[in-house]
Amino acid sequence: EVQLVESGGGLVQPGGSLRLSCAASGFTFSGYWMHWVRQAPGKGLVWVSRINTDGSTTTYADSVKGRFAISRDNAKNTLYLQMNSLRAEDTAVYYCARDHSTVTDYWGPGTLVTVSS
Amino acid sequence: DIVMTQSPDSLAVSLGERATINCKSSQSVLYSSNNKNYLGWYQQKPGQPPKLLIYWASTRESGVPDRFSGSGSGTDFTLTISSLQAEDVAVYYCQQYYRMPITFGQGTRLEIK
Repeated sequence: EVQLVESGGGLVQPGGSLRLSCAASGFTFSGYWMHWVRQAPGKGLVWVSRINTDGSTTTYADSVKGRFAISRDNAKNTLYLQMNSLRAEDTAVYYCARDHSTVTDYWGPGTLVTVSS
Repeated sequence: DIVMTQSPDSLAVSLGERATINCKSSQSVLYSSNNKNYLGWYQQKPGQPPKLLIYWASTRESGVPDRFSGSGSGTDFTLTISSLQAEDVAVYYCQQYYRMPITFGQGTRLEIK
């Protein structure tokens, strides 16, 4: 069974940093591109970032470019999102999702990030 | 960026009746080399992550009930629930994965009338 479980969310002050993790199991993690998608409270889905299988190619939404960094450790079956210079508008539930032939087919339950003083 | 616009924003349908949600993209998401529409539909229930229902505009994900169907091509797409069940109450999103950044529609809230 495919499982994705995010962790690392919490309350952080504006300007602070946080690193999210996504533990993958039930599939060959190293064979799949992965994504981060976020959802502000009561709002819609917004794509954040994508990484290829070996971590050599990354893509970001303009709103996070230069502040967020996606990475992965295939030996640990784990996806990461390093978030720096956090702003109030980054407050959201962050989901990791698996990319299967460009379709995001499995999503984790999400982890809540709250940026507030 | 490709803008995805769903209609209506909310919808109330009686149990057993048909529900139809529309999605329009600001540019075509049909890839001519493989004749595939890079369009997906997701269902999100409160407190849960999105669940993939339909991909390539009309291919039902494994395990999804056959009352869910997708249609359309190019820029105009439809998600149809043929006979609404109580468990179908949710927010539904369309998504294009034709071009980065991936973009989603604003969502359509489906309720029971």
